[in-house]
Amino acid sequence: SQTIHQWPATLVQPVGSPLSLECTVEGTSNPNLYWYRQAAGRGLQLLFYSVGIGQISSEVPQNLSASRPQDRQFILSSKKLLLSDSGFYLCAWSPLGANVLTFGAGSRLTVL
Amino acid sequence: DQQVKQNSPSLSVQEGRISILNCDYTNSMFDYFLWYKKYPAEGPTFLISISSIKDKNEDGRFTVFLNKSAKHLSLHIVPSQPGDSAVYFCAASALGSSNTGKLIFGQGTTLQVKP
Repeated sequence: SQTIHQWPATLVQPVGSPLSLECTVEGTSNPNLYWYRQAAGRGLQLLFYSVGIGQISSEVPQNLSASRPQDRQFILSSKKLLLSDSGFYLCAWSPLGANVLTFGAGSRLTVL
Repeated sequence: DQQVKQNSPSLSVQEGRISILNCDYTNSMFDYFLWYKKYPAEGPTFLISISSIKDKNEDGRFTVFLNKSAKHLSLHIVPSQPGDSAVYFCAASALGSSNTGKLIFGQGTTLQVKP
């Protein structure tokens, strides 16, 4: 069966510091991968998605970037965090051609 | 521009009664709709979905209704149980996006089921 791992679960970072959130999927190959963010009082906003290694699509202009160095690894990064980057970040995957996403447990980021 | 809207931030229902969660969308290209359930500090879990070629899909206590002319869908939970207390997200995807699986989510509705 497929599983998705996301870490760290909780992160407190000062403004201006770098960020790296990692996500890996097991039990499948060539998945579509996604990063979503849930800001306080808001829905889930799609940040990035990837349909293959090195293929990243950005949905909204922002202070963050994503990379997919391996088939089942998706990384969310920032060089300098802003206060507005605080939120709950969720990694998700779906099989190619499917619309049902499976989410990881999420990473709570607090920027102080 | 909020393409998927859940206008009720919260809903409180007595155990055993029906819970009705509503969702409206604006993009007529959406052809697949999903409901996700989310507990605090956890990722959302898939609950039920419906294709635009149908107007109803049922799975146990959960039924989703789609009214394409009104661009409206709803999730019915009958009977409601305290364990159903969670945030419910409506999501939609558009024609041609099945290869990417991009979902557009609503803001969520917090359901509280009282014993």
